Amino acid sequence: KAGVTQTPRYLIKTRGQQVTLSCSPISGHRSVSWYQQTPGQGLQFLFEYFSETQRNKGNFPGRFSGRQFSNSRSEMNVSTLELGDSALYLCASSPWPSGSSNNEQFFGPGTRLTVL
Amino acid sequence: DQQVKQNSPSLSVQEGRISILNCDYTNSMFDYFLWYKKYPAEGPTFLISISSIKDKNEDGRFTVFLNKSAKHLSLHIVPSQPGDSAVYFCAASVGETSGSRLTFGEGTQLTVNP
Repeated sequence: KAGVTQTPRYLIKTRGQQVTLSCSPISGHRSVSWYQQTPGQGLQFLFEYFSETQRNKGNFPGRFSGRQFSNSRSEMNVSTLELGDSALYLCASSPWPSGSSNNEQFFGPGTRLTVL
Repeated sequence: DQQVKQNSPSLSVQEGRISILNCDYTNSMFDYFLWYKKYPAEGPTFLISISSIKDKNEDGRFTVFLNKSAKHLSLHIVPSQPGDSAVYFCAASVGETSGSRLTFGEGTQLTVNP
């Protein structure tokens, strides 16, 4: 079974631009979560989607948004990019609600975003 | 407000010795804890977890200890191997069913020297 895939793997943008990142979960997984990883901050939760609905949202400004499609694929959008948005953006999928009893999430390799 | 903290950004141990990675949390609602390992250019991978009804869970060379009163957990790796060199993240959730939101620590870079 293929793992979580994220595209693109690397991206360079300039301040003020907007960006869209894509995530394809493991086949059969219906929950997709997004995290931002920056040095010294660990993984910060952005949001989680299930059945095209946002179930949870972290403490990020409205410039960060996402959506999920009927095939469970998810996209994350960041508008009006700032230098501080440079980070590794990780997507994770889980089989919720019919999956494992342990809260294991399966992560993709991430998209490295650099804002100049 | 960092609800999960890993106070040691790095740890270096000799091959064959024990590695002990620590994690503290502040939210008493957390009742499920996980450790993830991350290699460069890869996403984190699940290592081991523990429910708040237990104080120890063991899986091969990896053991996680939970001290609820101190809001502290630790990951023991014994014996440590060079391939264990990675960043280790502690994570916590309210509820253990999959899909519950995970709150991560900042990570600890473990280096195991041959």
